[in-house]
Amino acid sequence: GDSVTQTEGLVTLTKGLPVMLNCTYQTTYSPFLFWYVQHLNEAPKLLLKSSTDNKRTEHQGFYATLHKSSSSFHLQKSSVQLSDSALYFCALRESNYNVLYFGSGTKLTVEP
Amino acid sequence: EAAVTQSPRNKVAVTGGKVTLSCNQTNNHNNMYWYRQDTGHGLRLIHYSYGAGSTEKGDIPDGYKASRPSQENFSLILELATPSQTSVYFCASGDAKGAEQYFGPGTRLTVL
Repeated sequence: GDSVTQTEGLVTLTKGLPVMLNCTYQTTYSPFLFWYVQHLNEAPKLLLKSSTDNKRTEHQGFYATLHKSSSSFHLQKSSVQLSDSALYFCALRESNYNVLYFGSGTKLTVEP
Repeated sequence: EAAVTQSPRNKVAVTGGKVTLSCNQTNNHNNMYWYRQDTGHGLRLIHYSYGAGSTEKGDIPDGYKASRPSQENFSLILELATPSQTSVYFCASGDAKGAEQYFGPGTRLTVL
C-alpha cells in the first residue's frame, strides 16, 4: 500500500546552515506530495505541495522538488533560522484523493 | 477567525469511561478527519468523513467511533477509554479536491 518514509527523526543544526530533510514514498498511483510544519504546541500547517515531476516548489524560503524517478520529495532550505525549529511531516495523498498518509516526522532544532 | 476548532482542549478521563471529542469547521469543506499524534508515529488517521451522515475507517479505528451529524461538526467517541488512548488528537477539514487539509488546535487526552 501507500507509504511515506522520513529517515531522520531528529536534526540539529546551527543557524545559517543549509538543511535537507528526506522524504521518500511508495505508491502505485500518481503521487501528490505535501510538507506540513508543526511548531511547538500548534497545529500542523501546510508548507509545500507538488504533483509535478521535476519542478521545484518554494514557500517561506523552503523548497522541494518531486522526483518520480526516485520517489522522493526532500525538503531543503539554504540557511535555517531559529524560527525554523519545528516538527516537519511529509505526506502523500492517497489514491482516492481524500486521505493523506503522513511520515513519522522530523524534528528540526536550530541552535544559535 | 479560527476555521477549525476543537473542544475540549484538554481532557482527563478514567479507564472505562466514555469520552467525546468535538470538532467544528467553518470552511464549508466536505471532508473531515480525526488523527492522533504520538511521538515516533507522526499523524495517524482514525476516522474520516465525506460529508454529513458519512464516516469511514482510517488506519487505526479500533476503539473509536465517529459521528458526522452536519457539514460543520465531526465527533470522535471513545466508548470505553483505555490508557493506550492517551494522546493528542487533531481534527482537520479538507475540500473534495484533496489539495490541502486544515487542522484544528488539538485536544490533549489523558486516560488514567
